[in-house]
Amino acid sequence: EDQVTQSPEALRLQEGESSSLNCSYTVSGLRGLFWYRQDPGKGPEFLFTLYSAGEEKEKERLKATLTKKESFLHITAPKPEDSATYLCAVQAPSGNTPLVFGKGTRLSVIA
Amino acid sequence: DSGVTQTPKHLITATGQRVTLRCSPRSGDLSVYWYQQSLDQGLQFLIQYYNGEERAKGNILERFSAQQFPDLHSELNLSSLELGDSALYFCASSVVGGFRETEAFFGQGTRLTVV
Repeated sequence: EDQVTQSPEALRLQEGESSSLNCSYTVSGLRGLFWYRQDPGKGPEFLFTLYSAGEEKEKERLKATLTKKESFLHITAPKPEDSATYLCAVQAPSGNTPLVFGKGTRLSVIA
Repeated sequence: DSGVTQTPKHLITATGQRVTLRCSPRSGDLSVYWYQQSLDQGLQFLIQYYNGEERAKGNILERFSAQQFPDLHSELNLSSLELGDSALYFCASSVVGGFRETEAFFGQGTRLTVV
């Protein structure tokens, strides 16, 4: 069974204090690993897809990396507006399978 | 704006009742996914439709059903509602075309409260 574990469950940072969120996964092959941002009461907002080990993608203060067993979401010099829950999901390669999500990391950035 | 539209945004109903949640996917997307999100469970996959046909089923209760219509909009029907069905219900859509065209975009959700 495909599984996704995210850590930590919650993270509190001072503005400008860089850190990383972890997503460990077990899946029979990997079609893609996805990162989403979710604000309270809103739908998940797509951030990145990573397809193969060694791949990296960046968007503003966020950088996602992928290895064969885990992915990291690095947040550089975060701002209060980066506060949200960050969700990781995986998709197995057997055609058109749904995304399996982790429970997320709740990030709070304090000014 | 993701381009995925869900209605209604909020729904309050009594136990034992039946409700229908509606989702319009992004233009051109053939695949629709339904997810349930409760506080302690995270996002749980319910069911997927692709171009009108059921493609994958997750932990969907027998009291719940869904369909995708010829215009590709989808409806999730929840019946004999229980207090524990209170949750956010999300719809997502994706192209499901080539290998790298599988990003799923989510709607803003329907918050269901069963009283």
